[in-house]
Amino acid sequence: DTEVTQTPKHLVMGMTNKKSLKCEQHMGHRAMYWYKQKAKKPPELMFVYSYEKLSINESVPSRFSPECPNSSLLNLHLHALQPEDSALYLCASSTHSLAGGFQPGADTQYFGPGTRLTVL
Amino acid sequence: KQEVTQIPAALSVPEGENLVLNCSFTDSAIYNLQWFRQDPGKGLTSLLLIQSSQREQTSGRLNASLDKSSGRSTLYIAASQPGDSATYLCAAMDSNYQLIWGAGTKLIIKP
Repeated sequence: DTEVTQTPKHLVMGMTNKKSLKCEQHMGHRAMYWYKQKAKKPPELMFVYSYEKLSINESVPSRFSPECPNSSLLNLHLHALQPEDSALYLCASSTHSLAGGFQPGADTQYFGPGTRLTVL
Repeated sequence: KQEVTQIPAALSVPEGENLVLNCSFTDSAIYNLQWFRQDPGKGLTSLLLIQSSQREQTSGRLNASLDKSSGRSTLYIAASQPGDSATYLCAAMDSNYQLIWGAGTKLIIKP
């Protein structure tokens, strides 16, 4: 199973709402990522979790709050978003395994289909 | 700071033609160079990964090459088909294990 799943597929929310995005993988990967992608632009890295610990936070506003409850799940909690936060939110995972020595050169990221978020 | 550039930004070719997409990077200290495909409004699909010690990788009609000394990678697509129409992105993994992305090439294959 080389699949990363994301729910919901689409989300429309007002600026005062609280919502969550969910990502799941069952490939035994130990690194999980959140990216934001605007139309006709490449993905922008937001957060990286390695072994369920937040390892990278790319200066993302606090209205985005990530959570990694276990090695298979990654959530992104949203609160008081702005219209400019409307984008495709992509989750990815990669092996990043320390067992047998981490080999970054061979570490491919597997992406989910994304959640299309619209903030009104 | 690593910068990745893709040329051209868009390409339209007739079905059946062979084509080359280009990717250049400014810092040769990379762990790998990856090519992804993205269909409109969808997630990214990994196509090929070339480790820094490798020169090329092949998968079906796709062949990717890497020349670290010149800071270039190419994606060669043989016998193009309308189903190959998509945006193709390259990304270089830097010394912090992060992917640095190009802006992508939008490919249209005309039947």
